[in-house]
Parts: sequence; structure tokens; C-alpha cells
Amino acid sequence: QVQLQESGPGLVKPSETLSLNCNVFNESITTYYWNWIRQSPAKGLEWIGHVFHRGTTRYNPSLETRVTISLDTSKKQFTLALKSVTAADTAVYYCASSFGPYSNFDYWGQGSLVSVSS
Amino acid sequence: EIVMTQSPATLSGSPGERATLSCRASQSISSNIAWYQQRPGQPPRLLIYGTSVRASGVPGRFSGSGSGTDFTLAISSLQSEDFVTYFCQQYNDWPLTFGGGTKVEIK
Repeated sequence: QVQLQESGPGLVKPSETLSLNCNVFNESITTYYWNWIRQSPAKGLEWIGHVFHRGTTRYNPSLETRVTISLDTSKKQFTLALKSVTAADTAVYYCASSFGPYSNFDYWGQGSLVSVSS
Repeated sequence: EIVMTQSPATLSGSPGERATLSCRASQSISSNIAWYQQRPGQPPRLLIYGTSVRASGVPGRFSGSGSGTDFTLAISSLQSEDFVTYFCQQYNDWPLTFGGGTKVEIK
């Protein structure tokens, strides 16, 4: 089955860019939509956006001006970049797969805690 | 944005009892709802999708029902491992949104 693994720094300074990678194992990168979701006590679970292998992306309007999700098919990896972060962006960030643009999330990574602090 | 409201926030039950968790959407989402179970320190695990379809490996004591705006996750007989948190999620429209969760605790 699909396995996902997040990686990236656990601490980011305010106003800088949060960057996380998600590696995909045991599945073709062209099969699914690849999502980022975050979870915090204040906002609960929040879908950030997704990317599809044809380059299609879709973002949550609440984050759209600050977020980019990209895909590297050769590395079987997708990346989240969230710029101009504040303390409100402190959360556990998950990568997850879905079969379509309107879908549930089948497989999840273990999550990566990112704290925004100076 | 479709707001998903879960109730109750906390449900107290005893092993062997039936538990009923609710999720209400702010507008009709047809049957496009999923339920997840989350243990502390773990990612959510898909339980139910399409309102009532159990994901692979999910025990039969979990069932989902509803349509339109009102949905239910039922656990027919609570087991010790079921006392964790549950979330609903709609995928009828963007942005995809989650409910705030129901924590099932031991009475």
C-alpha cells in the first residue's frame, strides 16, 4: 500500500518560508492526487491544497496567496512551500493521497510538527 | 466554504455500548462525506467514505448513514481501542473541510 513520509525543518522563523517534502513509496506518483493537510488546536484539521501529476494544483482560498505545492516525478516527491509564516501557522503538517480532486484521503504520512518562532 | 459541525464534542460511553456520532453540513453535500479515526500522536485513519462504505480493514461495528446535511457514524459495541477521536470530512466542494471532532471517552 501507499506509504508517505514527510521531511523538513521543525522550526521556522516568522516571515520566512515553511518548506516540507513528502516522499511517496509503493505507488506511482501519477496515480493519485497529492495533498497537504495541517492540524492545530486552534484550527483543527485544515486542507491546504493538492497537486496532480499533470501539474494541476488547487489551494484552500484561505492560504492561496501564500502556498505553492509542486511535484517532482523523478524523485517521487511533492513539496509544500508556505511563505510569510506567522505563529498561526504552527501545526502538524500531513501529506496525504486522494483518488480525485473531490475525494476522501486514503493514505496519510505520520505528520511533521512545524513550529513558527524566533 | 462548507462548515462541518460535529456533535457532541465529547461522548462518554462504556465498553459494549452503542455510540452515535453526528456531523451536520452547512449545506447539502449529497453523500460525499468521510469519517476518520485518530489516535493520539497518529495521523487520521480513514474509516468510512461515500457516507456508508467501510474502508479496507475497518471492523463491521462501524457504520455510516445519512444524506444531504445530516450524517451519523455509529459504533455498535464500543471496544477499548475505540475510545479515541473521530472526524468527518466533506468532499462535495472546495475547499475540502473537516469537522471539529468528537472525542469518545470511557464513562
